[in-house]
Amino acid sequence: DSGVTQTPKHLITATGQRVTLRCSPRSGDLSVYWYQQSLDQGLQFLIQYYNGEERAKGNILERFSAQQFPDLHSELNLSSLELGDSALYFCASSPKGVLGGGELFFGEGSRLTVL
Amino acid sequence: DQQVKQNSPSLSVQEGRISILNCDYTNSMFDYFLWYKKYPAEGPTFLISISSIKDKNEDGRFTVFLNKSAKHLSLHIVPSQPGDSAVYFCAASRGGSNYKLTFGKGTLLTVNP
Repeated sequence: DSGVTQTPKHLITATGQRVTLRCSPRSGDLSVYWYQQSLDQGLQFLIQYYNGEERAKGNILERFSAQQFPDLHSELNLSSLELGDSALYFCASSPKGVLGGGELFFGEGSRLTVL
Repeated sequence: DQQVKQNSPSLSVQEGRISILNCDYTNSMFDYFLWYKKYPAEGPTFLISISSIKDKNEDGRFTVFLNKSAKHLSLHIVPSQPGDSAVYFCAASRGGSNYKLTFGKGTLLTVNP
């Protein structure tokens, strides 16, 4: 158990819909990262938050947005869903946000299926 | 453009033998490298890392080697055990900046009893 909690574990929805994925980081970790793993793909970095502020952005679509709340949990919002958005979405946390180094702790992921 | 490449999608070895997983990278700015292991229905878990100032890091049965000139790293598992069967991801980052890992696509290791 990494200490990172993601909900829901599974989600099935239709094209055009909007979903919210939630992540609670490890106790004390200030940084939250979102990754997407599509079929046969590695983990693609989407976005990072540190103590409520956006710190780094990766290949995140404009239809996607995220935020980190004062209690440090984070939400990833996916809208106008397309079939290609079907993927595993991982959240990870780490205590370090700026200087880097050290590993990330991943949740078990949220599997999104868009029909 | 894939900056971290794991060219072998799968690898099968016998229990007790050595497993060697390879990873190549193209971005010369990467200076910190990690290996993650992932079991089905679980998130990736950290295995071992190496800084670019080193060429080898060892942790029990796991050793990571880094060849900066070739932009290549490898993970050696000796001896391999059936419980090591998992997907192994290589990852790289630019230390000192926002900590963002770039992952390879992974190699499925199967250790046969």
